[in-house]
Amino acid sequence: EVQLVESGGGLVQPGGSLRLSCAASGFAFASYAMSWVRQAPGKGLEWVSTISISGFSTYYPDSVKGRFTISRDNSKNTLYLQMNSLRGEDTALYYCAEDRAERGYSFEWGQGTLVTVSS
Amino acid sequence: DIQMTQSPSTLSASVGDRVTITCRASQSISSWLAWYQQKPGKAPKLLIYKASSLESGVPSRFSGSGSGTEFTLTISSLQPDDFATYYCQQYNSYSRTFGQGTKVEVK
Repeated sequence: EVQLVESGGGLVQPGGSLRLSCAASGFAFASYAMSWVRQAPGKGLEWVSTISISGFSTYYPDSVKGRFTISRDNSKNTLYLQMNSLRGEDTALYYCAEDRAERGYSFEWGQGTLVTVSS
Repeated sequence: DIQMTQSPSTLSASVGDRVTITCRASQSISSWLAWYQQKPGKAPKLLIYKASSLESGVPSRFSGSGSGTEFTLTISSLQPDDFATYYCQQYNSYSRTFGQGTKVEVK
């Protein structure tokens, strides 16, 4: 059974940093692209980042480019999201997701970890 | 970036109804479109990919169609478990975008 378990969320002040982790199990983690998708309270889904199988290629929307960094450790079956210069609009539930391809869609999702940016 | 617009934003329907949700892209995305279902407090669930391919395990009452800029998700006979919010997502480019969502509620 595929399991994606996010952790690292919490309350952080504006301008602060946070590192999210996603522990993967039940599938060949090193064979799949991975993504982060977020959902602000009561709002829709927003794609945050995608990383290739090797980790050499990464993709971001303009809203987080230069502030967020996605990475992975295939030896630990773990996905990361380093978030710097956090803003109030980054407050959301952050989902880790398994993708069919780098330029693709997500077919397995974790349950999310909540990030709250507030003073 | 490619913008995705769903209509309607909210849809009121009854069990047994045929339901159709539309998703429009700001430019052609060929058939690179996915549909998800999300229930309150739960993660999204993939229903359809490549505009019309049904994900394994998804009931056959769900179907997708379209290409280019206009797409539809159809539920042939709405079931109690189908009341949820539905999102489209384009993957024509490496910069993915979601529609704003369509909530299917009880009439």
